[in-house]
Amino acid sequence: DQQVKQNSPSLSVQEGRISILNCDYTNSMFDYFLWYKKYPAEGPTFLISISSIKDKNEDGRFTVFLNKSAKHLSLHIVPSQPGDSAVYFCAASWGKLQFGAGTQVVVTP
Amino acid sequence: EPEVTQTPSHQVTQMGQEVILRCVPISNHLYFYWYRQILGQKVEFLVSFYNNEISEKSEIFDDQFSVERPDGSNFTLKIRSTKLEDSAMYFCASSEGGPNSPLHFGNGTRLTVT
Repeated sequence: DQQVKQNSPSLSVQEGRISILNCDYTNSMFDYFLWYKKYPAEGPTFLISISSIKDKNEDGRFTVFLNKSAKHLSLHIVPSQPGDSAVYFCAASWGKLQFGAGTQVVVTP
Repeated sequence: EPEVTQTPSHQVTQMGQEVILRCVPISNHLYFYWYRQILGQKVEFLVSFYNNEISEKSEIFDDQFSVERPDGSNFTLKIRSTKLEDSAMYFCASSEGGPNSPLHFGNGTRLTVT
């Protein structure tokens, strides 16, 4: 039962450019959305979140956009840096947190 | 910065044996979770724990799984009789608030069942 979907398993972007990661969800009851970043051999690290009452939240280089009517959210990273190379998980919450499958981001010099 | 710590980092066990995975959540956090990630698959919710009881569990968390907070600082996941398909990374997490607050994850325990 995939309620949170990240359809792009990987993304390659040049250093300095924008990375755009996408996430779709099916459950309209989700009211809180988060992005996590994961390096190999480490646990997921919280990046940024957004409540369902907002459509945008910005924190430094990271911006999350929420389109409730489309049940879609995205994460923009600008400018992308080599240290951003990691797996990014979208997650949505309604009582419990459910994760997407992740997108592997590779930032090339 | 306070962090969630998990031990051991890697556990190898034989099928049918019991394992206990240990976690020390962040000290002022009130909500505790276990997640797992089978190799190549997504991170899956197992159980949440608040006020000394399970608040929610997934269909994965069947009778062979149990959680405990034995002493106010540790949070453990016990698998009573391990199966091959229990091989996965198990992540402990904690949060200050409920589901709508960020979870802080440990680095995981890699469980290998042979």
